[in-house]
Amino acid sequence: KAGVTQTPRYLIKTRGQQVTLSCSPISGHRSVSWYQQTPGQGLQFLFEYFSETQRNKGNFPGRFSGRQFSNSRSEMNVSTLELGDSALYLCASSPSQGAERTQYFGPGTRLLVL
Amino acid sequence: DQQVKQNSPSLSVQEGRISILNCDYTNSMFDYFLWYKKYPAEGPTFLISISSIKDKNEDGRFTVFLNKSAKHLSLHIVPSQPGDSAVYFCAAKTGYQKVTFGTGTKLQVIP
Repeated sequence: KAGVTQTPRYLIKTRGQQVTLSCSPISGHRSVSWYQQTPGQGLQFLFEYFSETQRNKGNFPGRFSGRQFSNSRSEMNVSTLELGDSALYLCASSPSQGAERTQYFGPGTRLLVL
Repeated sequence: DQQVKQNSPSLSVQEGRISILNCDYTNSMFDYFLWYKKYPAEGPTFLISISSIKDKNEDGRFTVFLNKSAKHLSLHIVPSQPGDSAVYFCAAKTGYQKVTFGTGTKLQVIP
């Protein structure tokens, strides 16, 4: 069974630009969650999607948005990039909402904002 | 406001000895706690969890202890192995709410 895949794996952008990250969950998983990992803050929850609907949202500004498609694939968008958005963005999928024990993470997309 | 804190950024332990990773939390509404392990260039993987109705949960070499009065949990790895070298994240949640993670502790097991 293929794992969670994230594209691209690395990305360099400049301040003010926008970026879209993609996540393909494990086949059959309907929940996708996004996290931001930085050295100082650790892993911070961004949002969770289940059945194309956002179910939970973390404390991030509106510049961070996401969506989920009918095939459970998800995208995350960050607009008007800031230097502080440089981080590893992790996507995780699980069969159902809130099922952290059966949650599988992708390898992440490392974003560098210059 | 860090509701889940891992105050030790790193820990070194000799192979075969016990590794103890600590985690403190401030939100008394948390009712479920998890530990994840993360290797470089990989996403975190679920390791072990504990519900707030228990004070101990064991899975092989891994045991998690929960002290609700102190709002403290710890992960014990016995015996430690070089393959356990990774970053360990403590996490907590309430019901169906979002999971809150700690900042992680990097464990190095020295052969």
